[in-house]
Amino acid sequence: QITLRESGPTLVKATQTLTLTCSFSGFSFSTSEVAVGWVRQPPGKALEWLALIYWDDDKRYSPSLKRRLSIAKGTSRNQVVLTMTNVDPVDTATYYCVHSHNKLGISGSYYWNMDVWGKGTTVTVTS
Amino acid sequence: NFLLTQPHSVSGSPGKTVTISCTRSSGSIASDYVQWYQQRPGSSPTTVIYEDDQRPSGVPDRFSGSIDSSSNSASLTISGLETEDEADYYCQSFDISSLWVFGGGTRLTVL
Repeated sequence: QITLRESGPTLVKATQTLTLTCSFSGFSFSTSEVAVGWVRQPPGKALEWLALIYWDDDKRYSPSLKRRLSIAKGTSRNQVVLTMTNVDPVDTATYYCVHSHNKLGISGSYYWNMDVWGKGTTVTVTS
Repeated sequence: NFLLTQPHSVSGSPGKTVTISCTRSSGSIASDYVQWYQQRPGSSPTTVIYEDDQRPSGVPDRFSGSIDSSSNSASLTISGLETEDEADYYCQSFDISSLWVFGGGTRLTVL
């Protein structure tokens, strides 16, 4: 059974750097074609994809946030760390980590799905 | 890049049928799979439809998905509405640069 759990500070001051950790079980990066992504949701607003790290250490970022984000595998082999620099109150949100794998779709093409989500961690940025 | 546009809210009475649309702003809706997620208050999203019209095990067959190339949109239809269906629903697809693109979400109210 795949599980993911987000952790990090609940309060961060504007201009500081936010570091979030996703601890997971039930899979590992030694398995090819798996990935872990981050998605956030400001209060009362929509979901927004932030970043993705693949089993082979390749990384992808949201173009709008790319300059401020960094995703990496943690020192523990079952962790992923997301770093966001220069935070602002608009970054106040619930941050989710998500398991993904390269799935063969019904029409014969592959795609990176999102099949298991963590419970999320709420971060408030104060000015 | 493209946007996925959803109605802000829809509503229906128990037992009725509602449809939530998701319109892609550019590029073909049929070129990339569309997923639908249900998010109840205080909970993480869960998948109710994947690959346009596939239903995960455990999701009632009252939930169905489709795509319409003529309107360049995807739709989530929920029939036999139940009070437990009251939630926010998000469509999601893929973009070469933005990878995972989400719609703005639709609040379903079961009256």
